[in-house]
Amino acid sequence: ETGVTQTPRHLVMGMTNKKSLKCEQHLGHNAMYWYKQSAKKPLELMFVYSLEERVENNSVPSRFSPECPNSSHLFLHLHTLQPEDSALYLCASSQDLGGSYGYTFGSGTRLTVV
Amino acid sequence: RKEVEQDPGPFNVPEGATVAFNCTYSNSASQSFFWYRQDCRKEPKLLMSVYSSGNEDGRFTAQLNRASQYISLLIRDSKLSDSATYLCVVNSRPGNTPLVFGKGTRLSVIA
Repeated sequence: ETGVTQTPRHLVMGMTNKKSLKCEQHLGHNAMYWYKQSAKKPLELMFVYSLEERVENNSVPSRFSPECPNSSHLFLHLHTLQPEDSALYLCASSQDLGGSYGYTFGSGTRLTVV
Repeated sequence: RKEVEQDPGPFNVPEGATVAFNCTYSNSASQSFFWYRQDCRKEPKLLMSVYSSGNEDGRFTAQLNRASQYISLLIRDSKLSDSATYLCVVNSRPGNTPLVFGKGTRLSVIA
């Protein structure tokens, strides 16, 4: 596989559930990102990892918990979410933190919280 | 000035028209500039990088104006398939920091 792969593509979860989103990149990149995009809204940067170390956390509620076990994998653990958390969650990677060559995005996970 | 600012549109143009988008950025030291395209309910995809000398890819031309701190995207001979949201992306913060994405300009090409 090449590029950035996200699973699952779609997820419906109740407010009391716990689930995880997975992202895997096969590009040898050193930085990975989680973005949230609500319907017809711009991208919101959630978390940034560089060389497996979290370097940015943009005031994201604690019900979202990221994990980066190695430079190729990134997870977003979800628990006790709210309906307003329903959105498209996008993972991206880049060769370096500054994005000199741009970012490559996965296809996203479309999350619905019921 | 906002870090990265775009006219949200929408721009509604007929097929075959030429359309141009501008994007302003706040950090005069910015070095990396890109245009991304995002289709409805899909992920953003890199359309083109923007170089100091300007660059062209088929019907698409991107230019950088450092003096006025803006980049532009020109689309010639618009196709229906060009309908999308176009995102301006800049390394607008100092140091080795994440890229800043604009809110996007929506384009609708009409038959």
